[in-house]
Amino acid sequence: QVQLAQSGAEVTEPGASVKVSCKASGYAFATYSIHWVRQAPGQRLEWMGWINPDNDNTKYSVKFQGRVTISRDTSASTAYMELSNLRSEDTAVYYCARDSGFLPLWGQGTLVTVSS
Amino acid sequence: EIVMTQSPATLSVSPGERVTLSCRASQSVRNNLAWYQQKPGQAPRLLIIGASTRATGIPGRFSGSGSGTEFTLTISSLQSEDSAVYYCQQHNDWITFGGGTKVEIK
Repeated sequence: QVQLAQSGAEVTEPGASVKVSCKASGYAFATYSIHWVRQAPGQRLEWMGWINPDNDNTKYSVKFQGRVTISRDTSASTAYMELSNLRSEDTAVYYCARDSGFLPLWGQGTLVTVSS
Repeated sequence: EIVMTQSPATLSVSPGERVTLSCRASQSVRNNLAWYQQKPGQAPRLLIIGASTRATGIPGRFSGSGSGTEFTLTISSLQSEDSAVYYCQQHNDWITFGGGTKVEIK
């Protein structure tokens, strides 16, 4: 079964970092790029960045540049999104999604709560 | 960054009625436009690709049209299970999403 399985919910403090994983199964991981999209409570979907697992190329939204790092481990068929210097406004559900230009396959989402 | 604007923000419609949602791009995205449906607590579900092609398994009551900067998603006969938020997304220049239209059942 083709799917993306994300790591579990995280609760963290302002100023800290969080790393969310996205494990692909059912297809050749290096064949499709992975995007990260977040959704704050009641807000729109917000694109954060992208990685090409085949060559490790990345691209980040200007909004998150300098705070987000997307990486991958091809041996584990897993992509990662690390967001640093967290603030309360980063409380959101973080999704990974497989790229075909459009996004036909999504992970289940990971809730990250930033609270002191 | 290409800005996507959706209207209206909320729509309240009776079952069986026709629903039309709009999406406008700040510059041409050609036909690199997708539509998604999102229900509470769920990830978005892909409905339409290439502005007008239904994704696999999507019912025929969903249709898309448009190109360039103006796009429309139509639900020909609203069903109760269609209550959701609908997002447009361009992928002509990386990715941006519209603000969504919430469709409520009267």
